[in-house]
Amino acid sequence: GAGVSQSPSNKVTEKGKDVELRCDPISGHTALYWYRQSLGQGLEFLIYFQGNSAPDKSGLPSDRFSAERTGGSVSTLTIQRTQQEDSAVYLCASSLARWYEQYFGPGTRLTVT
Amino acid sequence: AQTVTQSQPEMSVQEAETVTLSCTYDTSESDYYLFWYKQPPSRQMILVIRQEAYKQQNATENRFSVNFQKAAKSFSLKISDSQLGDAAMYFCAYSKAAGNKLTFGGGTRVLVKP
Repeated sequence: GAGVSQSPSNKVTEKGKDVELRCDPISGHTALYWYRQSLGQGLEFLIYFQGNSAPDKSGLPSDRFSAERTGGSVSTLTIQRTQQEDSAVYLCASSLARWYEQYFGPGTRLTVT
Repeated sequence: AQTVTQSQPEMSVQEAETVTLSCTYDTSESDYYLFWYKQPPSRQMILVIRQEAYKQQNATENRFSVNFQKAAKSFSLKISDSQLGDAAMYFCAYSKAAGNKLTFGGGTRVLVKP
């Protein structure tokens, strides 16, 4: 079946602009995760959605970052007023509720100029 | 907070030889999960192997095996009969519970020489 997909694959934006990154999880997966991979900070957790529960937002670095998951499926990560330090690869993963293997998408490379 | 440390930024191995990647972690939990992920240049993270902390037996997946030392909080990955396709970044990761967020180490780049 189809894996986790993310769009766009690459995004270049100007400092101060808002960006939206999209994640389509594997069908039937109730858990969805966002991670950020940057040269300076490595791989870090951002946010986690599990079914209808309140999301775990403990990894979001600032209030410029937000995410939503509509209908328990597609998720959008929004970064407002982008800064150069936001440049990174943003990875999305999904897993079945009672299964601990996380399947990752190919990521979105964000470059803020 | 949990931390994961990979002390080897880069490892080089001859094709068909064996290489071992090191990982240590810090946690106060008694039950948790440990993983090794592979990230090739395509960026897609691929699960290589996983270990449940309550299991004493070391996990094995074909040419990949782990040495899990719970008391020492050590979780090394051994790649046997290395192949050119094994060249990638390898990340050690920790999860407090099933289906929970992952905490990653800094990664080890594996180079395979023909």
